[in-house]
Parts: sequence; C-alpha cells; structure tokens
Amino acid sequence: DIVMTQSPDSLAVSLGERATINCKSSQNILSSSDNKNYLAWYQQKPGQPPKLLIRWASTRESGVPDRFSGSGSGTDFTLIISSLQAEDVAVYYCQQYYTAPITFGQGTRLEIK
Amino acid sequence: QVQLVESGGGVVQPGRSLRLSCAASGFTFSSNAMHWVRQAPGKGLEWVTLIWYDGTNEKYADSVKGRFTISRDNPKNTLYLQMNSLRAEDTAVYYCARGAGSGSYIIDSWGQGTLVIVSS
Repeated sequence: DIVMTQSPDSLAVSLGERATINCKSSQNILSSSDNKNYLAWYQQKPGQPPKLLIRWASTRESGVPDRFSGSGSGTDFTLIISSLQAEDVAVYYCQQYYTAPITFGQGTRLEIK
Repeated sequence: QVQLVESGGGVVQPGRSLRLSCAASGFTFSSNAMHWVRQAPGKGLEWVTLIWYDGTNEKYADSVKGRFTISRDNPKNTLYLQMNSLRAEDTAVYYCARGAGSGSYIIDSWGQGTLVIVSS
C-alpha cells in the first residue's frame, strides 16, 4: 500500500499569514501514461464531512478560493494557503488515488495563532 | 446539487452484522463510481471500499476484505454496505461518497455520515 505522510501534524498561523502543509507518498504517484500526479487535498471542518479542494495535485475545484494552491510532483507535495482566513480552520488531508487501496495522510490540524 | 444521505448506523454487538444505505440524488447515479470512507472518533480518514458505476468491479481495504460487501441498485439510486463479523475497531462514522467518474478514485462529494458503534 502507498503510505501518505503529512507534516506537520498541527500548525498555528496568524490571520493573513501563509500556511504550508506538506505531504509525502511512499511511492511515486506521477503517472507516466498521462503525466498527472494522482494526489488530492481535502478540507474537513469540525462536525462536517471532508470537502475536495484540489485534484491532480494542483487543480483547484470550482468555488475554492484562489488563496488555496497545490504543488509538487512524484512523491512530494504541498498545500499552501496564501493568506489565512478564520474560516480556513480545519483539518487538511492529502490522498493518493494512483492505486487501490486509496490512502489518506494522517491529517494536519490548522489553527489560528 | 449532489445529495448523499446515509442511514442504517447504530449500536451493534461484536460479531453481528449491519447494513448501511446511501440514497443519492442530484446527479446521474448510474454514471459514477461510489465509495465508502470511514472515520473513527477523533481519528483520520480511512477509505473502505469502491464500486464501479455499473457494479462490475469492486475494491476493498485489507481491513474489511472478506467481511464487508459494497453493492448498488442503480434504478433506486442507492448504495449499500453490508458489514458482517463486526469488530470494535469498525466503530466509526461511515461516509458515502461519490467518485468523480465512472471508475474514478477521486472522491468529489460526501454525505454527512452515519455512526456505527460496535460494542457489547
């Protein structure tokens, strides 16, 4: 199975500042056939189900604010929130969908400093 | 808009069975793969199983293989999860979720979840 490891486990950032969350996969999840990274990012607010933010490592979903961006390739990926807003307090998960079983990172809890 | 409504959760004794249902609306159910993902209390997300849009293929996490069975009734727009030989470690909120395409592993919509507690 592909193991997804996020860092840090928790993060406190001031409003308006940048938040950076890292995700590392135990295997390459860049497909040679379509040159796409099979990596998604989800946001889960307290008491709510997860919400898909980004797919293919860097493609933002419709309606997701552009302060959220994803980057990376192969085994190393990053989610950046460029200017933290109060409503961004949540747990963030990366997920690989390169192969079954689909696997998630352990989550990164983002709080306001 | 996409709506996924789970039902069937509750308290069940170890070793017993439970069947979850998920009523889908707001999209063409028969066109999308469907998933079950669970989340133990205070823990992270664990993918459980996936079924192709037409029911011809299924995938399972090792932790549930041989005990859980996913199925779907496309005319009824309903997804199921039959859970047998339940264990304490199966205690979780179970989310029904939509795949982004016919056999897609991308999960683009989630229900609110139904809580399953396995306890004597």
